[in-house]
This record gives sequence, structure tokens and C-alpha cells, in this order.
Amino acid sequence: GAVVSQHPSRVICKSGTSVKIECRSLDFQATTMFWYRQFPKQSLMLMATSNEGSKATYEQGVEKDKFLINHASLTLSTLTVTSAHPEDSSFYICSARLGGQDTQYFGPGTRLTVL
Amino acid sequence: AQSVTQPDIHITVSEGASLELRCNYSYGATPYLFWYVQSPGQGLQLLLKYFSGDTLVQGIKGFEAEFKRSQSSFNLRKPSVHWSDAAEYFCAVAPQAGTALIFGKGTTLSVSS
Repeated sequence: GAVVSQHPSRVICKSGTSVKIECRSLDFQATTMFWYRQFPKQSLMLMATSNEGSKATYEQGVEKDKFLINHASLTLSTLTVTSAHPEDSSFYICSARLGGQDTQYFGPGTRLTVL
Repeated sequence: AQSVTQPDIHITVSEGASLELRCNYSYGATPYLFWYVQSPGQGLQLLLKYFSGDTLVQGIKGFEAEFKRSQSSFNLRKPSVHWSDAAEYFCAVAPQAGTALIFGKGTTLSVSS
């Protein structure tokens, strides 16, 4: 099956710093990638949708200047949390979809802790 | 707006017993329906999906789900639960193929021996 990786799996940073999370589709080309956020004991909430080569579409309430998404190639999307604060601490999960297909493949997630 | 409801936050089942996890959705048309499982520290794994056709869908690990349009439900079942099935289960819908998923809040399954 299709494999999606995320790096890092876990990151701890100081308040005010920026953190970059990578999402890679390892064995297929992902025309669309999605970024979700999961709070403890909560469901996954969509943050943004990114299509290769174009600007990401953010969900209402998600600050695009704070959560920078880049989808520069068909196998890589990055999420940068800028000027991180403790309330940004969460589990960030990406998923990738091959164009024309209807199934999303999820990465293992990245646990972000902001001190 | 579309929504997904998983009424049971936590379920405990004895090993070897049958399991049914409930999922109801709110959407005008028939959405694309999914069940995912998430083990601690792991990503989401697709168990099964329904787009059209036969309303009883077979998935991996012995799971199946039945789509009932009249009840707007897509319940997940397994005839005999194994201890390794203990995990978080999420029901999700997508209004169209390939669009972002809307998840339910999840059901935590515990398996007792």
C-alpha cells in the first residue's frame, strides 16, 4: 500500500521559535496533501488542503501566516508553525492523495510540544 | 454542514466477543464513508470504505461495515475481537471523492481478557 512519512515524529521547541514538519509520499506522487490537527482525546480537524504548485487553502479559523504550508513537489509538503506558542502544542497529521484516486493515506503524525 | 457522530466514547469488549461501533453522519447525499483505526503513537490505518454498490463492506483485520441510508449510519462490526484490536476508531466522511475528511470524535475500544 501507499506509504506516507512524517518528520520529525516528535519535536519540542521553545515558545517563539518556528518548527517545520515534513510530509512525504514515499511510493506515489501526491497531487493533494491535507494537514490535520488532533488534540488529546479529540478528533482530527482539517487545517488546510494543499495542491502541488499552488497556494494552500486554509480552513476557517486557521491562521495562514502562522501555519505556513508549502507543497513544492509531488512527494513533499511542509508545515511550518511560526512563532510557536504553548497552545500550538498538538498532534499534527498529514495525508496524501494521488490524483484521480479517492483514498487518502495518512502519515504517522508529529507530536509538537511548545514550552 | 456535514458532520459525523460516534455516540460511544469508550467501549470495553471481552476478547472473543462481537463488536459493533456506531457511526451516524449528516449529509444530504450519500457521502464517501470510511473507518480508520489509530493505535497509540501510530498513524491512521484505513479499515474499509464505502462509495457505492453493496452496502455491506468487508475490510482488513476481519472488520466489516454496513451502510444504511435510511438511518444515515455506517456501523463497524467484527464477529470476534482480539486483544490487538484495542485502539481508537474513527469514522469519517467525505462529500466527494478525494476531498478532505470530516472525522467523528472517535471511539476508544478496550479489550478485556
